[in-house]
Amino acid sequence: GENVEQHPSTLSVQEGDSAVIKCTYSDSASNYFPWYKQELGKGPQLIIDIRSNVGEKKDQRIAVTLNKTAKHFSLHITETQPEDSAVYFCAALPGGNTPLVFGKGTRLSVIA
Amino acid sequence: GAVVSQHPSRVICKSGTSVKIECRSLDFQATTMFWYRQFPKQSLMLMATSNEGSKATYEQGVEKDKFLINHASLTLSTLTVTSAHPEDSSFYICSGRGGDQPQHFGDGTRLSIL
Repeated sequence: GENVEQHPSTLSVQEGDSAVIKCTYSDSASNYFPWYKQELGKGPQLIIDIRSNVGEKKDQRIAVTLNKTAKHFSLHITETQPEDSAVYFCAALPGGNTPLVFGKGTRLSVIA
Repeated sequence: GAVVSQHPSRVICKSGTSVKIECRSLDFQATTMFWYRQFPKQSLMLMATSNEGSKATYEQGVEKDKFLINHASLTLSTLTVTSAHPEDSSFYICSGRGGDQPQHFGDGTRLSIL
């Protein structure tokens, strides 16, 4: 089955710097890759997603890139702010009506 | 955007009590609902998948008689933790998916069994 690896597990950046979180997946049939942000005591919130027919997608300060050949995708957050501090999860959808497969998460801390 | 509403957000009860958690998709039809359990500082652990009108499919190691899932409509799914014990204390999160909607999560229920 699908396996998603996520790195790093923790990341600290200075406010204003960029943050990059990387994920790899194993199943070449996976065709949808969402990213979720989870704040303390809350459920994950979808922040951006990308489908396999697209290489890059951007939404204001966040962007996601996908390399299907290498089977990896990354989340980029620019001009980080303290409110970006949270746990971020990547996920892959193997296709059909199957559950998302999640990475183990990255705890991002933005230091003011 | 699409919203999944989950209630209650916090439950504290005595051992042996059964607890029901509700999950509603507010502005989309969730043909599939997922229930997760999350331990502190860990990723989401899928417990079960349910399609509207069908019996839930449970992940290995999840007791179906312990965690009863009902998905009787396209906007409502419930998880009942029967005869809860302290080891069932955890953060439970539901999630819905349907149509062209990506998967959206509720805000979770923190269950504490004394």
